[in-house]
Amino acid sequence: SQQGEEDPQALSIQEGENATMNCSYKTSINNLQWYRQNSGRGLVHLILIRSNEREKHSGRLRVTLDTSKKSSSLLITASRAADTASYFCATDDSGTYKYIFGTGTRLKVLA
Amino acid sequence: DVKVTQSSRYLVKRTGEKVFLECVQDMDHENMFWYRQDPGLGLRLIYFSYDVKMKEKGDIPEGYSVSREKKERFSLILESASTNQTSMYLCASLTGRTDTQYFGPGTRLTVL
Repeated sequence: SQQGEEDPQALSIQEGENATMNCSYKTSINNLQWYRQNSGRGLVHLILIRSNEREKHSGRLRVTLDTSKKSSSLLITASRAADTASYFCATDDSGTYKYIFGTGTRLKVLA
Repeated sequence: DVKVTQSSRYLVKRTGEKVFLECVQDMDHENMFWYRQDPGLGLRLIYFSYDVKMKEKGDIPEGYSVSREKKERFSLILESASTNQTSMYLCASLTGRTDTQYFGPGTRLTVL
């Protein structure tokens, strides 16, 4: 069953703007991860946040996690055309290695 | 750098054929995964393996089997390919040290 659901499904912004994507999940987790996928390619890991963390930064990426609401957000600041891709959240199913991915947010950054 | 390779980027097979998709990782990871990705459905887990000769079913194992005879290699087998198995197949590996999955480039399989 899919428990990670991203919102919005698609997002189109201008270069330089910030992009925010949200993810909701259903079960308890040990960690939540965000991945990026360029068209027709494999996924690339972006950032991992553990259940006892509330916020994490990596370069232009900022991830928040609210375990009480079972939700996470990914913020990409000062977006670039090269950020155009699909972004997925993934959660470990009740602490197992059986990761569950959402359907993704398609981000388009216009130059 | 971790490298996960898949045997083919594109594959075209006929209905009823037996299909082998191979995945190899070079980082001595214990865990390996097979997913399929379809538009609007995201990634769905077919099978995963947490050790040599060990396997567990994912969410959609029907019509598939797997083999892990060596730690670095995880094979996905379609016993009798059907058109509804046309999809992008993604392999990944993971070590418990980082909980991070590393993906291969994917195999786009078309079953005619």
